[in-house]
Amino acid sequence: DGGITQSPKYLFRKEGQNVTLSCEQNLNHDAMYWYRQDPGQGLRLIYYSQIVNDFQKGDIAEGYSVSREKKESFPLTVTSAQKNPTAFYLCASSIGGGDYNEQFFGPGTRLTVL
Amino acid sequence: KNEVEQSPQNLTAQEGEFITINCSYSVGISALHWLQQHPGGGIVSLFMLSSGKKKHGRLIATINIQEKHSSLHITASHPRDSAVYICAVRVYSGGGADGLTFGKGTHLIIQP
Repeated sequence: DGGITQSPKYLFRKEGQNVTLSCEQNLNHDAMYWYRQDPGQGLRLIYYSQIVNDFQKGDIAEGYSVSREKKESFPLTVTSAQKNPTAFYLCASSIGGGDYNEQFFGPGTRLTVL
Repeated sequence: KNEVEQSPQNLTAQEGEFITINCSYSVGISALHWLQQHPGGGIVSLFMLSSGKKKHGRLIATINIQEKHSSLHITASHPRDSAVYICAVRVYSGGGADGLTFGKGTHLIIQP
């Protein structure tokens, strides 16, 4: 089955630690995205990547870093510089970065920083 | 900056009722998405629209580009339709992959 996997579903970390969230897709999609969801707010774009070895900052990139070394993988690192890291993180992908491409979402990772 | 407003924020209805969720946005867009998020958090794409109307089963989505407005309708609603419904828009970017702008969602509960 083609799809997007994110692991783990729940993640707990101590304040001050970096943590990396996994996102893998086997849809052969070029574009991948990371969004953050907070209670009572819409999803917000953290980073996106149109193609391997290229990525761009979204609206709330501060305190986060990404890499895109392989087409199918787009890991997100939440660094200790992120002031409020506790949130629900969603990864998405689309066949390309064009305006009319549907985005497919992973199941999400709920990160809690203690 | 584009804003996406959804109404209502919360909606409780009885099984079988016809449901309408509205979405308004403030700038020109290339596409509008309706998404469904279940309590576990995963998001499913329901529709992507750039004009007119689409139907899938009991779900109907319409968009009026001139009025910058879209509606999602659910006919013969069922408790399994209970979820958060999210409207998201793609501002025309000339091919760049700069993501979607999301509404805050409408929390729908269908009571048996």
